[in-house]
This record gives sequence, C-alpha cells and structure tokens, in this order.
Amino acid sequence: QKEVEQNSGPLSVPEGAIASLNCTYSDRGSQSFFWYRQYSGKSPELIMFIYSNGDKEDGRFTAQLNKASQYVSLLIRDSQPSDSATYLCAVIGGGSSGSARQLTFGSGTQLTVLP
Amino acid sequence: DTAVSQTPKYLVTQMGNDKSIKCEQNLGHDTMYWYKQDSKKFLKIMFSYNNKELIINETVPNRFSPKSPDKAHLNLHINSLELGDSAVYFCASSPQGDIQYFGAGTRLSVL
Repeated sequence: QKEVEQNSGPLSVPEGAIASLNCTYSDRGSQSFFWYRQYSGKSPELIMFIYSNGDKEDGRFTAQLNKASQYVSLLIRDSQPSDSATYLCAVIGGGSSGSARQLTFGSGTQLTVLP
Repeated sequence: DTAVSQTPKYLVTQMGNDKSIKCEQNLGHDTMYWYKQDSKKFLKIMFSYNNKELIINETVPNRFSPKSPDKAHLNLHINSLELGDSAVYFCASSPQGDIQYFGAGTRLSVL
C-alpha cells in the first residue's frame, strides 16, 4: 500500500512569514511529486511539481525533494492571507503499469495565514 | 473557457436512487480520472481511462460504473445510492498521466 503522509495541521503563520509544509512517502521508486492547493469548497489546483532531488522555485513557492529521505516539502515565502487553504501533497509511484502511475494524495495540511 | 467541466455541481437524492455525473474536457488530454473526496478531505482515485480504455479501477463497489464514450468525456453512473456515497466527486484529466487538472467537483448528498 503506497502511502503519502502529511501533518493535517492546522498550521498558522503570521502574514509575511515563511510557511513550511512537509510530506513523506512510502514508495521509494516514486518519480513525480506535486503540490496542490485547495480552497474550501473548490477543486485542487496544481501549484508546483518536482521530479529531481533539490529545490525548485516558482515565485514565492519553493518545492524541495529528498528522495533518499523520501521527503518532499513546500515553502511559501512572504505568506499572504490569500494563501490560506489546504495543501495536498501527491506522488506518482514507480513502475510502468497503469496502477503504479496513479496519483496518490496525502490527507492535506490546512494552512491559515493570519493578517 | 472551462477546461474540465462537470455537471451537475450539486446533486441531492434519496437512498436507493440511480444517478449520473458527467465530465468533459476540452484540453485534448488522453487520460481522465474520477476521484472521491470524503468529509475528511481525503482525495482517493476511483477510476482512470486512457483513450476510452479503463486503466485504473480501484476497490470501488460495482454500483459505480464509469463510461467513456470518447476521450473527451468520462461519465460516472452510480446505482442504488447509499448514505456513504455522500462526498465530493472530482473529474480530472491529464495529457500523459502525470500533471492532472481538476474539474470543479460535484457535491453528492444522499438522504
């Protein structure tokens, strides 16, 4: 059973601070890693993806991947109240079969940015 | 233009009824999915189709039947609805089975 674990939170940070969201996964052969943002009552929206070890930056967002530790994180710099949402970590496992390439989601971390 | 569209947005029905949810994508993607998100916000895949062919069929009661008339459409039919089927159902599509784009969701309430 492939698992993706996240702290459910809630995580509260003051406006302007760095929010750090963490995720671990069980399938060592996992190849692709995603962060989705979901506002209450809305659909998941892709904000970052990362395939290789290291950091990937896009605006205020940085995704970090460490395959040896089976760990992926998302940093949000200069957090804004509009960043308040649930952040879902998702992983595509290793292997070539259809089932192996399915996206497995964590349960999400609820982030609140306080004005 | 909506990329992945689902209808209806809300569905309220009685136990034992049969209902369908429709999904259409205009992105030209080959792969489409159905997910269920429960009250705890856990998002779990139900089915995946690639070019009208079923490739993922998770442990889902056989009361749920997906149908893909063409690669732009993936509908979900549910027979004999139960209270536990109440959830938000999301359709998604993907160009190569990797990055996925989600529809707005259908909130199903079974009374």
